[in-house]
Amino acid sequence: DAKTTQPNSMESNEEEPVHLPCNHSTISGTDYIHWYRQLPSQGPEYVIHGLTSNVNNRMASLAIAEDRKSSTLILHRATLRDAAVYYCILYNFNKFYFGSGTKLNVKP
Amino acid sequence: DAGVIQSPRHEVTEMGQEVTLRCKPISGHDYLFWYRQTMMRGLELLIYFNNNVPIDDSGMPEDRFSAKMPNASFSTLKIQPSEPRDSAVYFCAVGGGTEAFFGQGTRLTVV
Repeated sequence: DAKTTQPNSMESNEEEPVHLPCNHSTISGTDYIHWYRQLPSQGPEYVIHGLTSNVNNRMASLAIAEDRKSSTLILHRATLRDAAVYYCILYNFNKFYFGSGTKLNVKP
Repeated sequence: DAGVIQSPRHEVTEMGQEVTLRCKPISGHDYLFWYRQTMMRGLELLIYFNNNVPIDDSGMPEDRFSAKMPNASFSTLKIQPSEPRDSAVYFCAVGGGTEAFFGQGTRLTVV
């Protein structure tokens, strides 16, 4: 299974941007890059996904390296409600394999 | 649509007992997944179905675990007999398009 590598934890101040990195050097041409987050005591929820081009939605932006071996999830203005574990996942054939994720702590 | 509904939300059972976890998925999704989450192993994919047919159960830890999807609106994950090491949060999810939708999970404690 394709693997992703993320920092175990990161910290941010409220109202500041957050850049969450992910390395996926073994990505194949048909793998989509997905990001999910898991709030405390909740199931994972979809954040954003992309294939080659950078993507924006109401929750976040996704910046994908030109060689696709890494990506960055960008939260433009972190709020306390964004404190969660963020998972970077390579998605193919409808199977999501979760790594250990990055625990984001947001300080007021 | 109320989302993926799992029941019960919490289950405490004694070792050796049979446990059945239930999932009522959102309609309109071809795939259904069962995941298990523990502190030690994170989120593990146990099994997934496509149009009610089990496709890949390689993540099911032992023969004590079984899953069924008799129709598009219902799935079960059964553990018989249960053991303390089965204690975890079990998630049901649906997908088939660009994203997956997860339920709130069932927290299982086997004592």
